[in-house]
Amino acid sequence: ETGVTQSPTHLIKTRGQQVTLRCSSQSGHNTVSWYQQALGQGPQFIFQYYREEENGRGNFPPRFSGLQFPNYSSELNVNALELDDSALYLCASGLGGGSEKLFFGSGTQLSVL
Amino acid sequence: EDQVTQSPEALRLQEGESSSLNCSYTVSGLRGLFWYRQDPGKGPEFLFTLYSAGEEKEKERLKATLTKKESFLHITAPKPEDSATYLCAVQGRNSGYALNFGKGTSLLVTP
Repeated sequence: ETGVTQSPTHLIKTRGQQVTLRCSSQSGHNTVSWYQQALGQGPQFIFQYYREEENGRGNFPPRFSGLQFPNYSSELNVNALELDDSALYLCASGLGGGSEKLFFGSGTQLSVL
Repeated sequence: EDQVTQSPEALRLQEGESSSLNCSYTVSGLRGLFWYRQDPGKGPEFLFTLYSAGEEKEKERLKATLTKKESFLHITAPKPEDSATYLCAVQGRNSGYALNFGKGTSLLVTP
């Protein structure tokens, strides 16, 4: 069982609202990545943080932003929610800036109405 | 742009019936190819990383192989508990640390 925990597990928001999703990384891990998984699709890379600095970003607009804290917990913030933002948001943690062995949480299911 | 295509989209096997899942990829400088398993309502679970053509890795009933254009996940004598979605992802030298995932193959193994 992975040590990556995400909260909340489910969330319903209205278009135009803002949302904050939280992630607690596995103990000892200093890299956290966020992925968006739409229904029937593979996860899509949003961004990665290493030692509290963003060190990689996918094809997502600036209204998707994040933070990593000294205790390696992390937040994903999404402003001005759109209907297409409805998806499963996955947090993954790993060791080192280029870690490929990622440990995923169970995700937050976001529904935008 | 890195691309990953998985086939088939869905596969139904009887218990004990071996088969293979395919992952075709294009990438600018492969850093690694990854296989993950995802159960319903859960996040992906790491299975294997392959780095160069000709490499093979095994874990229980699963064996992953890699060529310059594709990877196969061979499932030998599957059991119902192997039912899951299997995801393939590549990490390219030009894409930083991002994993580029395919859509996955949904595997159902019936008793």
